[in-house]
Amino acid sequence: DTAVSQTPKYLVTQMGNDKSIKCEQNLGHDTMYWYKQDSKKFLKIMFSYNNKELIINETVPNRFSPKSPDKAHLNLHINSLELGDSAVYFCASSQDPAGGGSGANVLTFGAGSRLTVL
Amino acid sequence: SQKIEQNSEALNIQEGKTATLTCNYTNYSPAYLQWYRQDPGRGPVFLLLIRENEKEKRKERLKVTFDTTLKQSLFHITASQPADSATYLCALEGDYKLSFGAGTTVTVRA
Repeated sequence: DTAVSQTPKYLVTQMGNDKSIKCEQNLGHDTMYWYKQDSKKFLKIMFSYNNKELIINETVPNRFSPKSPDKAHLNLHINSLELGDSAVYFCASSQDPAGGGSGANVLTFGAGSRLTVL
Repeated sequence: SQKIEQNSEALNIQEGKTATLTCNYTNYSPAYLQWYRQDPGRGPVFLLLIRENEKEKRKERLKVTFDTTLKQSLFHITASQPADSATYLCALEGDYKLSFGAGTTVTVRA
């Protein structure tokens, strides 16, 4: 009955490779997000999608390409991985976009995907 | 630029005492402020939300205050227990995103 599920949970890869992380939510939410949590534990938004449409791209390098095939799924593909990409990536969802003026929006997070680039 | 600052990176307290965490913000005019809990190896979990017209909100042993004049929220854990040990994050909505402070890691000693 996992609300927001991400796969894989762990990913170890070499510099220069391409990898993907998948996310699915069964909450019926319209909005999904990708956050990056670095080694200092700071949680920073990368992307948000509302009903499959990109609404936030927080100056992320274009090696990162999110894709939302439907509003229940948001995948993250990363090309040409670099050492600095090592982090924990969290997927989250909310009913409406946080900060979009539709009232308070609480986020439900997945368990995270730890990416290690060697 | 917008900033969310949680003043203490770590807080160690004795079981039974009250932990008080601080969240200060600049260049936001939030209608709401949220608090989340994050355990090691897990995603953040929503705890409490407080609106700008609410001075205080309680949930079991948790209490949150919100002072829009001081631009500050305080998060209290009363009668703390070792199970309360975690990182606590404050968060603000704005510009179609929820932004987080760096978190305060609370360790409750038995």
